[in-house]
Amino acid sequence: EAQVTQNPRYLITVTGKKLTVTCSQNMNHEYMSWYRQDPGLGLRQIYYSMNVEVTDKGDVPEGYKVSRKEKRNFPLILESPSPNQTSLYFCASSFGGSLADTQYFGPGTRLTVL
Amino acid sequence: LAKTTQPISMDSYEGQEVNITCSHNNIATNDYITWYQQFPSQGPRFIIQGYKTKVTNEVASLFIPADRKSSTLSLPRVSLSDTAVYYCLVGEGNNAGNMLTFGGGTRLMVKP
Repeated sequence: EAQVTQNPRYLITVTGKKLTVTCSQNMNHEYMSWYRQDPGLGLRQIYYSMNVEVTDKGDVPEGYKVSRKEKRNFPLILESPSPNQTSLYFCASSFGGSLADTQYFGPGTRLTVL
Repeated sequence: LAKTTQPISMDSYEGQEVNITCSHNNIATNDYITWYQQFPSQGPRFIIQGYKTKVTNEVASLFIPADRKSSTLSLPRVSLSDTAVYYCLVGEGNNAGNMLTFGGGTRLMVKP
């Protein structure tokens, strides 16, 4: 089944404790991206990647890192999480990065930073 | 990416047709119009995409007038399970990068 998976689905952590949220897709998509969703602010893009070893900042990249060493994986790294990073995070992938390509979203990761 | 304007929320009843209109006055020649649906605590899901006139699939129809400055997503005979947030996105089909900017969307509530 074609899908985007994220782990963990729920995470409660404390300020400053490094964490990684994994994202994997099995559709051989070149484009992957991360979003955060907060009440009243909609979905905001954090980082995106056009292909292996190619990443770029989205609208709200501060406090986040990503890597794209393999085509299927695009982990999101929070080196020193802070409470303002408490949010619902979505990973997405598509064949290409244009609006004409259907984006497939993962199930989401709800992160709470205390 | 062209700015879009949609109603914040809409209410409907089961069995009715629902039309959600999106305004995009600054749409460019190469821009496509795409709609996504999002259920609570789930990722958005692609519904339909169009460039001009009318597009229909098994889920919805998309009406785009000749000037393309607006578009209307039409959901026939909605059910309770259509309660969701619907996002209208407008942008170039050939550009790559951070093209997916989701606004606030339209929160549709379907009542019994």
